[in-house]
Amino acid sequence: DAKTTQPNSMESNEEEPVHLPCNHSTISGTDYIHWYRQLPSQGPEYVIHGLTSNVNNRMASLAIAEDRKSSTLILHRATLRDAAVYYCILRDSWDDKIIFGKGTRLHILP
Amino acid sequence: GAVVSQHPSRVICKSGTSVKIECRSLDFQATTMFWYRQFPKKSLMLMATSNEGSKATYEQGVEKDKFLINHASLTLSTLTVTSAHPEDSSFYICSAGRTGGTEAFFGQGTRLTVV
Repeated sequence: DAKTTQPNSMESNEEEPVHLPCNHSTISGTDYIHWYRQLPSQGPEYVIHGLTSNVNNRMASLAIAEDRKSSTLILHRATLRDAAVYYCILRDSWDDKIIFGKGTRLHILP
Repeated sequence: GAVVSQHPSRVICKSGTSVKIECRSLDFQATTMFWYRQFPKKSLMLMATSNEGSKATYEQGVEKDKFLINHASLTLSTLTVTSAHPEDSSFYICSAGRTGGTEAFFGQGTRLTVV
């Protein structure tokens, strides 16, 4: 599986934007970029995904570099409930499997 | 939206006994489900792929006789931890997705403690 690299942890203040980076220099043309997050003591939940273009949904935005070798998950206004581990994952369009990396533990400061 | 439900959410069992964990897709049919385990402060590790009507596919290093998987219907997969030992204590999570969909749905997890 193509690998992603994320910072181990990040901190942000409440009500400020958060930019979570992800490097995936070995991404292939058919890999989608997915983001999931895991709140404490819960199963992961889907956040957003994209292929080439930037994507927005009610939870977040995903900015994808032109060469697709990196991407950034943007939380526009972090709340305490956004404190979680955020996983950046590459998935081929035909592959149901999700392989998790180490993720970024996001701390939100009140 | 689609929901995947796990039961029980937590269980304590004695060493040497077996424990069954259920994973249900509540509003869609899932021909494939996945089982993960997670140790504290670590990432999720894929254990096996559960295939409806056929044998599960186990990841390297996962003992198939220890972790029995049964996917007897399109909405239910079960994971049985046989002859549990304290080192099997972990957070077990299942997931499934709609056929042709891109989003994976995860159960809320089962915390197993073996004493």
